[in-house]
Amino acid sequence: GQSLEQPSEVTAVEGAIVQINCTYQTSGFYGLSWYQQHDGGAPTFLSYNALDGLEETGRFSSFLSRSDSYGYLLLQELQMKDSASYFCAVMNRDDKIIFGKGTRLHILP
Amino acid sequence: GAVVSQHPSRVICKSGTSVKIECRSLDFQATTMFWYRQFPKQSLMLMATSNEGSKATYEQGVEKDKFLINHASLTLSTLTVTSAHPEDSSFYICSARWASEAFFGQGTRLTVV
Repeated sequence: GQSLEQPSEVTAVEGAIVQINCTYQTSGFYGLSWYQQHDGGAPTFLSYNALDGLEETGRFSSFLSRSDSYGYLLLQELQMKDSASYFCAVMNRDDKIIFGKGTRLHILP
Repeated sequence: GAVVSQHPSRVICKSGTSVKIECRSLDFQATTMFWYRQFPKQSLMLMATSNEGSKATYEQGVEKDKFLINHASLTLSTLTVTSAHPEDSSFYICSARWASEAFFGQGTRLTVV
């Protein structure tokens, strides 16, 4: 079967850095993605890692270790608008994208 | 980036009626689209994979006869919730994959009364 584990909630302070971890178990692994979803909205794509290492896109970075079946999303210089749910998702060779349960990020002023 | 359009964004229907939700890829051809359901404060649960020109593939526990999927063209997939009941009230989202990204429609909030 397939499973993804990520913390249900994380709280951080505006301007700080926060890391959201994700571990996964799946067959036919192709890559790990991260999505952001604000309340009432659809998910939006943040990043994708197919190879080991760190991918940086502005304030957001994502890391993958295939040997450890582990990845994380790093958010820097947190802003209030970053308050949202963040989902890690595995992409398999059968083209399916399976989502984790999501991490709700609370940002304090 | 690629655009996926989903319609309607909100629908309220009476129990026992059917509702059709459309998902269109506007600037790319999608041979495969995915339908997800999301209950409040929960994750997106994959319901089915919609394949252009062939039958949809349903995830375990999803009733094929209740959630009818049609993918008649490379840019359009439809999900019909048949004989809807209040427990079917949820947020339904479609997505289409382009390269390594999944692009999502705006979602449809279905309320069955």
